Amino acid sequence: KNQVEQSPQSLIILEGKNCTLQCNYTVSPFSNLRWYKQDTGRGPVSLTIMTFSENTKSNGRYTATLDADTKQSSLHITASQLSDSASYICVVSPFQGGYQKVTFGIGTKLQVIP
Amino acid sequence: GAVVSQHPSWVICKSGTSVKIECRSLDFQATTMFWYRQFPKQSLMLMATSNEGSKATYEQGVEKDKFLINHASLTLSTLTVTSAHPEDSSFYICSAILRDEQYFGPGTRLTVT
Repeated sequence: KNQVEQSPQSLIILEGKNCTLQCNYTVSPFSNLRWYKQDTGRGPVSLTIMTFSENTKSNGRYTATLDADTKQSSLHITASQLSDSASYICVVSPFQGGYQKVTFGIGTKLQVIP
Repeated sequence: GAVVSQHPSWVICKSGTSVKIECRSLDFQATTMFWYRQFPKQSLMLMATSNEGSKATYEQGVEKDKFLINHASLTLSTLTVTSAHPEDSSFYICSAILRDEQYFGPGTRLTVT
């Protein structure tokens, strides 16, 4: 069974600090890995998408890395802002099966405090 | 980016009644849309794939007679929760695909009392 595990489950950091969120997956072979930001009571919004051949992808203060050999990804947030408070979800798409086989992580709940 | 909307954003209904949730792709056409359910502190779980002009495909364990899906046009899919029960209370999210990118709606919070 394909699994996506994220850590930590929750995290509290001070505004302006950096943080790194982790994602381990078992999906293999996989097509791409995405990181989403989900504000409370809202739908997920895409931050980054990486194919299996990419190692890193940036989107402003968000930088995602991917190690396909160890099946690990991380999302690094630089100079955090209060608006970064949200859940961050790692999503892995298999090489076959289409969007019906996409596996979602539970997410890491990040709280940025002043 | 593409925009997917949902209506209503939240709804409270009594047990035994039916509730309809709309999902619209505002600036693109979507032959396929997806319906997810998300319980607190859990991941999104795919309920069904909505196909324009044909029957929806339901995931294992999802009752098709309880969760009616209609994809009547290229920009609108509806999910009707029939004979709702308190255990159906959840956050329902739809998504649509544009150029291999999955766009999610803002979600609908359903509370069944």
